[in-house]
Parts: sequence; structure tokens; C-alpha cells
Amino acid sequence: NAGVTQTPKFRVLKTGQSMTLLCAQDMNHEYMYWYRQDPGMGLRLIHYSVGEGTTAKGEVPDGYNVSRLKKQNFLLGLESAAPSQTSVYFCASGPPGRRSTGNTIYFGEGSWLTVV
Amino acid sequence: DAKTTQPTSMDCAEGRAANLPCNHSTISGNEYVYWYRQIHSQGPQYIIHGLKNNETNEMASLIITEDRKSSTLILPHATLRDTAVYYCIVYTGTASKLTFGTGTRLQVTL
Repeated sequence: NAGVTQTPKFRVLKTGQSMTLLCAQDMNHEYMYWYRQDPGMGLRLIHYSVGEGTTAKGEVPDGYNVSRLKKQNFLLGLESAAPSQTSVYFCASGPPGRRSTGNTIYFGEGSWLTVV
Repeated sequence: DAKTTQPTSMDCAEGRAANLPCNHSTISGNEYVYWYRQIHSQGPQYIIHGLKNNETNEMASLIITEDRKSSTLILPHATLRDTAVYYCIVYTGTASKLTFGTGTRLQVTL
């Protein structure tokens, strides 16, 4: 019963280094998302994807890139990490919303990233 | 998507019902009301959602006013494990993008 799995769970980066966060879901969901959460704040959407091969910008996309080469995976990349990107990152997935029933988005357990 | 307003924090005694209010006065006809919660710094957990009618599941009940401008999440018998931040979110389902506010921090006490 994996659901949404994020790797790595913890990472410390030096300023200017690059890294990729991997999100994998085993529920065959079309939609996938990357959020970040800073202390005392709600989650903010970075990028999202409505299907394999598609990506779109969310609320705070600057400094991040994403790819969705396979339906089950959604990668979040930091090309040149900055201290302002120190945060907790959450991946999520869900089916398309239906007007008659709505839908449910499922979240991973988070990836703690510190940039020094 | 419509904006929501929630109290910053609430307390509830263990075993009592926790009633968490949410105002969404600008909600449109096709927007659902969703509730998620976040325990400590874990990933948000889905609780319940509704459009017009009241809804109940194994976790909670959702009461939506007739004009749909506000709703209340009810945890019928709160336990210490229900201590969390509760988010009320309204969205249409277009790309299903959730917009999180700062939520209500519910503290359940003995």
C-alpha cells in the first residue's frame, strides 16, 4: 500500500548545488503536484502535471524545473540551490476531478531539504 | 477558486465534538468544499468533501449551509490523535489544484 512515495526524505545541499526529488505513485493517477511548505505556512504549489508528458507552473515555480516522462513519476529539480529553497517538499497525486463527485488528492510524507 | 477564512486556533476536550468553521462566501456553484488535515509535519491527509449536501464518513461530518457560504467540519469524538492543522479548501477540480491557507490549529486536550 505505497500510495505516494518521495525520495529522498532528507537532504542537505550547499548553495549552488543541484538535485532532483523523485515522486512515485502507484495509483495510476493522471494528476501530480509538487508543493513546498515553509515554517508556519500552508502549502504552496510549485508545479503540477495533468498527464504524462505535460507540466505547468504553479504559484511559486521560480528556481525549479519538473518532468513527467512516465505517468507514475514526477521529478522536481533544483538546478542551483539557494538558501531560500530550504523547505519541506510534498508531492501529491489524484485523478481528474468529476463534476458529479469531486476527487481526492493524496500526499506523500514529505522531503526535508536544507540549503546551506 | 474561492478564498476561505478559518479561525487560527481552537481547543477541544478529548471525547467531545470538535466543530471547525470555515467561511467561503465567494464560492461558486460548481466548487466543492474539501477538508484536509496535517498532523505535525506529515503530508496532508484527506478528510471529507462536499458540494451541497451534508456528508459523513468514518472520520468526520461536513455540514454545508444552504447558501453554501460557510461550512463546519465535525469530529464527533475528538481524541489526542486529532490534534492537527485543519485546512478548508474550495476548488472546482480544474487540474484539481489545492490552494492552502494557514488553516485552523486544533489542540485536543485531556
